[in-house]
Amino acid sequence: SQQGEEDPQALSIQEGENATMNCSYKTSINNLQWYRQNSGRGLVHLILIRSNEREKHSGRLRVTLDTSKKSSSLLITASRAADTASYFCATDTDSSYKLIFGSGTRLLVRP
Amino acid sequence: NAGVTQTPKFRVLKTGQSMTLLCAQDMNHEYMYWYRQDPGMGLRLIHYSVGEGTTAKGEVPDGYNVSRLKKQNFLLGLESAAPSQTSVYFCASSSSGSTGELFFGEGSRLTVL
Repeated sequence: SQQGEEDPQALSIQEGENATMNCSYKTSINNLQWYRQNSGRGLVHLILIRSNEREKHSGRLRVTLDTSKKSSSLLITASRAADTASYFCATDTDSSYKLIFGSGTRLLVRP
Repeated sequence: NAGVTQTPKFRVLKTGQSMTLLCAQDMNHEYMYWYRQDPGMGLRLIHYSVGEGTTAKGEVPDGYNVSRLKKQNFLLGLESAAPSQTSVYFCASSSSGSTGELFFGEGSRLTVL
């Protein structure tokens, strides 16, 4: 079964707007990661947030983590057409060896 | 910088045929993974390895076998392909397991007729 579930499944916004994606998970974690996948390509790591962190920034990306609600959000500010991709959260569940991925959010940024 | 390389990139098989997907990484990573990606399902972990000579089952291991004879290579085998194994397969590697970043290959698209 999927550990992480992203919401919404699909999101369409205008260039310049902010995009927010959410991830919920079921069990306790040590860290949560976000990845991006362009169409037909492999996944690329965006950001990692540890269970003792509440917020993390990287460029136009802002990630929050609420362990009490077992949820995380990814905010992309001032979106660009090049941000069009699928975004996945991944959690380490009960193992420090493996990452389990959610089903992803498809983001379309219209020029 | 090659990173993680998967071969082949595309393959069409008939039901019952066998094949092997090869993943090679040049980053000296201990951890390697095989995932499959199906529409609407995200990525599901098939098998993984925490070092040379080791393998372990993931979420969906049935119908697949793996080997890690060399640290840089992780092979995924299908002994008797089934249409349900039609998918895009991704290999990934990491220096620190799930505590750090995974580096992914570009994927191998497999169709089983």
